Amino acid sequence: DIQLTQSPSSLSASVGDRVTITCRASQSIGTYLNWYQQRPGKAPNLQIYAVSHLQTGVPSRFSGSGSATDFTLTISSLQPEDFATYYCQQSYRPPYSFGQGTKLEIK
Amino acid sequence: EVQLVESGGGLVQPGGSLRLSCAASGFTFSSSWMHWVRQVPGKGLVWVSRISRGGDITNYADSVKGRFTISRDNAKNTLYLQMNSLRGDDTALYFCAGEVGAPGHFDYWGQGTLVTASS
Repeated sequence: DIQLTQSPSSLSASVGDRVTITCRASQSIGTYLNWYQQRPGKAPNLQIYAVSHLQTGVPSRFSGSGSATDFTLTISSLQPEDFATYYCQQSYRPPYSFGQGTKLEIK
Repeated sequence: EVQLVESGGGLVQPGGSLRLSCAASGFTFSSSWMHWVRQVPGKGLVWVSRISRGGDITNYADSVKGRFTISRDNAKNTLYLQMNSLRGDDTALYFCAGEVGAPGHFDYWGQGTLVTASS
């Protein structure tokens, strides 16, 4: 099975900051890497798919990059609504594992 | 508007069974691979199972293999998860999710239904 490791597990930042979350896969997954945002009490919401493709309606301050085993999610200028938990997920092959999550908190 | 609405959760004793449903609307259900994902409150997301458009291909997490069965009724636009031999560590919020726009990612999710396996 493919394991995904996110870092950091939590992150404190201020509105306007640039933040980067990383996701490392235990083996190459090509470009089959997606990012989800989850706010408390809500369902996850797709932000980026296939490494770098922005889901419709997601602000352009979100971006993704990487390939094979190393991936990043960057938020260029944090807004209040961005404080949430972010998960990476691989869809290379089942089981479609998720990273353990990165909780982004307001400093 | 795309909607996924889960139902069927509740309190069940360990060893018991439960069937979850996910009613889909607003998209061509029969054209979408569908998934179940669970989350223990306060913890991370865990993929559980998936089913192909026609229902002929299914996959499961090792933790539920042999106990859970995913199925779908495309005439009723409904996804199911039959859960047998439930254990305490199956307690979680269960989400259905769909690959609606394109394959390989879950672009629509339901709000979840809570399953509690406890005596």
